[in-house]
Amino acid sequence: KNEVEQSPQNLTAQEGEFITINCSYSVGISALHWLQQHPGGGIVSLFMLSSGKKKHGRLIATINIQEKHSSLHITASHPRDSAVYICAVKEGGSEKLVFGKGTKLTVNP
Amino acid sequence: KAGVTQTPRYLIKTRGQQVTLSCSPISGHRSVSWYQQTPGQGLQFLFEYFSETQRNKGNFPGRFSGRQFSNSRSEMNVSTLELGDSALYLCASGTLSSGLYNEQFFGPGTRLTVL
Repeated sequence: KNEVEQSPQNLTAQEGEFITINCSYSVGISALHWLQQHPGGGIVSLFMLSSGKKKHGRLIATINIQEKHSSLHITASHPRDSAVYICAVKEGGSEKLVFGKGTKLTVNP
Repeated sequence: KAGVTQTPRYLIKTRGQQVTLSCSPISGHRSVSWYQQTPGQGLQFLFEYFSETQRNKGNFPGRFSGRQFSNSRSEMNVSTLELGDSALYLCASGTLSSGLYNEQFFGPGTRLTVL
């Protein structure tokens, strides 16, 4: 069993829809990252959080430490949001990240 | 500030050869981590360096090695290349202050193809 599980693996949405991607982890962590990877490989860090909720534009990330679960929400989705979204957890005291397999999001116009 | 840079961006090698990849972190960042991304295994941690010292190592064979220089630039080396080493190799830099957690900034990656 992977230490970091993401769901769904693939997600197709229509432009404007509300998107939720889930991440569950089984290890103790100091922080959780949500990353975005576009075709071509470049990775952008969207959020790093260890508690509560963060918002940046149309993106919202939440984490529940007790339940070891995080969600990434995209409001008013747009075709440019099409990418792979990766959840990664950071072990305490280290920069080592353990990654989920990613969620491939396709937003159709 | 310039972002994380990696060279070369693309590389083609044959089995048995060795390869060296380079990563220059964001100015002021002292931590560099390396990751391998393959279609089958996804992203996997290779190693992490901070102030020229390896702090953590992932579950990779000894053919994978790395180092960090005094200017924080880092190199990773893969010897005796195998077909399965074909992957996107990503490095990320961060500040890693003790007691705090820091965002990692990723480079564009080096795509290695082993023939």
